[in-house]
Amino acid sequence: EAGVVQSPRYKIIEKKQPVAFWCNPISGHNTLYWYRQNLGQGPELLIRYENEEAVDDSQLPKDRFSAERLKGVDSTLKIQPAELGDSAVYLCASSLVGHLNEQFFGPGTRLTVL
Amino acid sequence: AQSVTQLDSQVPVFEEAPVELRCNYSSSVSVYLFWYVQYPNQGLQLLLKYLSGSTLVESINGFEAEFNKSQTSFHLRKPSVHISDTAEYFCAVSEKTSGSRLTFGEGTQLTVNP
Repeated sequence: EAGVVQSPRYKIIEKKQPVAFWCNPISGHNTLYWYRQNLGQGPELLIRYENEEAVDDSQLPKDRFSAERLKGVDSTLKIQPAELGDSAVYLCASSLVGHLNEQFFGPGTRLTVL
Repeated sequence: AQSVTQLDSQVPVFEEAPVELRCNYSSSVSVYLFWYVQYPNQGLQLLLKYLSGSTLVESINGFEAEFNKSQTSFHLRKPSVHISDTAEYFCAVSEKTSGSRLTFGEGTQLTVNP
């Protein structure tokens, strides 16, 4: 069984440029999460989807960040425009519905903003 | 709101020595507790979790953690570590009333030396 797939694995951009990250969750997992992990810190939740609905986006900086999960399967996280402080690893995770279910994480996308 | 404190950012030990990685949490409501492990260039993997019942939980590779409600702690232990246990370990908490939101600590880098 394939795990959570993320692409690209690495991305280097200049500040003020747009960037997008893609995530394909484990088949059958209807809950999808995007986390940001700054260097030397633990992951922080940005947004959680139940199917195609964003049920927790309170930590998403909505002035520059957006996310979508149009068909309730794969998801895209976008930053426009990127700032220097956005340099981090962006992690995607998925789980079956219900908060007791284990979250499975992808390998992440390491973003460097120059 | 909940928070997690991992008291040691780095723990170097020799192979076959015992190890304890410390985790304290703060929350005004009942919580679920987790330990995740992140090997180099890989995603986070669930190591063990406490949901209810016995306060001592074990993983398949010899780690154990004990939930101590009075001390609000969930320390991770292993009686004899291997080189392959070298990784970053994250403690996380989820409030029982808040669904799937995980709050992570800043991580502890365990380095096992020969």
